[in-house]
Amino acid sequence: EAGVAQSPRYKIIEKRQSVAFWCNPISGHATLYWYQQILGQGPKLLIQFQNNGVVDDSQLPKDRFSAERLKGVDSTLKIQPAKLEDSAVYLCASLGGPTFSGELFFGEGSRLTVL
Amino acid sequence: GNSVTQMEGPVTLSEEAFLTINCTYTATGYPSLFWYVQYPGEGLQLLLKATKADDKGSNKGFEATYRKETTSFHLEKGSVQVSDSAVYFCALIATGNQFYFGTGTSLTVIP
Repeated sequence: EAGVAQSPRYKIIEKRQSVAFWCNPISGHATLYWYQQILGQGPKLLIQFQNNGVVDDSQLPKDRFSAERLKGVDSTLKIQPAKLEDSAVYLCASLGGPTFSGELFFGEGSRLTVL
Repeated sequence: GNSVTQMEGPVTLSEEAFLTINCTYTATGYPSLFWYVQYPGEGLQLLLKATKADDKGSNKGFEATYRKETTSFHLEKGSVQVSDSAVYFCALIATGNQFYFGTGTSLTVIP
């Protein structure tokens, strides 16, 4: 089966500019996550979707970050305006398998550099 | 609350050495536990998992046993190879399908 697709793989922008990342999860996976991974740290959850509804966005900086999953399939994460500290890899993942024991499938990530 | 603590890195070993990466967790209830691995330039991928106490997960020569009494899930491998060089993340899944990750341990294996 096809894996989780993300684009772009790399993006360089200047601070205060905007950027959008796209994710297409594995077909049939209802739960989708966006994580931020700063160099040397573990993934930090930004937002979790169940179909097209938000399950958890408590750690999403809502003044600058937004995410949507309109049809319950692919998802977009936007940052506007970007700050230097947003430089990170943005990981998309979808959940397969039974509840509470399922496996997360990750995309390759989108690396953002803010200058 | 839920959290995962894993040993600080980086870890550097010679080929064929024994590997242990410690992981302990705090959780309400009985979570499933995971080890994910991130090879250079790649995304995270599942290495192994255990879904209940005393379960042993294993894959590619790596093993980890779910120890409820010590709230631990240490990763071990008897003989590491250069190709095992990667970052290893311990994680748990809690109610609501929420995942909690450790900070990662970088492993470098030298020939």
